[in-house]
Order: sequence, then structure tokens, then C-alpha cells
Amino acid sequence: GAVVSQHPSWVICKSGTSVKIECRSLDFQATTMFWYRQFPKQSLMLMATSNEGSKATYEQGVEKDKFLINHASLTLSTLTVTSAHPEDSSFYICSALRGASYNEQFFGPGTRLTVL
Amino acid sequence: AQSVTQPDIHITVSEGASLELRCNYSYGATPYLFWYVQSPGQGLQLLLKYFSGDTLVQGIKGFEAEFKRSQSSFNLRKPSVHWSDAAEYFCAVGAGNYGQNFVFGPGTRLSVLP
Repeated sequence: GAVVSQHPSWVICKSGTSVKIECRSLDFQATTMFWYRQFPKQSLMLMATSNEGSKATYEQGVEKDKFLINHASLTLSTLTVTSAHPEDSSFYICSALRGASYNEQFFGPGTRLTVL
Repeated sequence: AQSVTQPDIHITVSEGASLELRCNYSYGATPYLFWYVQSPGQGLQLLLKYFSGDTLVQGIKGFEAEFKRSQSSFNLRKPSVHWSDAAEYFCAVGAGNYGQNFVFGPGTRLSVLP
């Protein structure tokens, strides 16, 4: 089966620092990856669509200068939370498309970010 | 734009009882429909999906769902719930030619009594 990994699974950082989260498709190439954010006891909200070799597309209300996304290869997308603040504390989940359809979307295990 | 509602925020059932989780969607055409399960602190696991064809879809872990176009619904069912089924369940809708517009419902938390 298709596997998507995220690293780290859990991170604590101080307010004002930057944190990078990696999303990897381990056994397939993913032209498109997605980043979601999930607050406690809430649903997943799409933050951005990451396309290999091009700029990410951000959803309305998501600050692209704060949440930097890089999709430098067909198996890796990174999300960098810059100048993190406590309100950025959340569960971040990525997903990767193996093909062009959501029929082949696979989710990572998520990264818990806590900003002190 | 499409939308998804899950009317039940929290459901509690006894182990061995049957289960039905409701999902309603709003979209002009036939969407791609999904059910995911999320255990606490974990990522998402796909239970089943509907794209076309037979409206009764079988999934993993003994779950099934039925697409009813007339009711714009895609309810998830399981005949006998196990304690390990306690989790958060999300219905999701993908719209567009390739399901590229993807929206999650608010989720239903399932508790299972011993």
C-alpha cells in the first residue's frame, strides 16, 4: 500500500522560533500534496495545496508568509511555521495524491505542534 | 462549492450494538464520497469510498455505507460495534472532475460502552 510519513510526529518549540515539518510519500511519487490543520475536537481544514516544482496554493485566510510550503521533489513537501506563536499550536496533517484523483489520496500520521 | 454535514457530534453505543453515522452533502453533481476514521492523536484511515456504480459500498473493519442520491446522504453503518471502533469519524466530499475540491465534515465522535 501507499505510505505517507511525517516528521516529526511531535514538536515543542518556543514562541518566535520556526519549525519545519516534513511530509514524505515513501513508495510513490506525489505531484500534489496537501497540508491540513486540525484544532482539538474539530475537523480538518485545508491550508494549502503543494505542487512539485511550483508555488503552493493557499486557502483563504492562511498566511503564506507564516506557513511556508516547499515541494522540492516528488516525494517530499515541507511546511515551515515561521515565528511560531501559541495560537499556531495544532495538529498538522499532510496528504499526498498518487494520481490525479482523490481516489488515490493518502494521509500522513500527523504532527502535533505545541508552541510555548 | 460543496459542503458536508454530520448531524451527530457525539454518539454512544454499547458494544455489539449496530451503528449508523449520518452524512449529508451539498453538491450539484455526484461527488466523490469518503469516510475516514481517526483515533486520538493519530492520522486518518480511509474506511471506504464511493465514486460510481453500486451505491452500497463495503469498507474495511466491517463498515459499509450507502449512497442515496435522493437524500444527498452517505451514511456509514456497522452491524456490530467493537470497543476498538471508538474514534472520530469524518465524512468527506470531493468535487470537480477529479475530486480536486475536497471538504471534510465536522466529524462524529463515537464512544463505545462495554
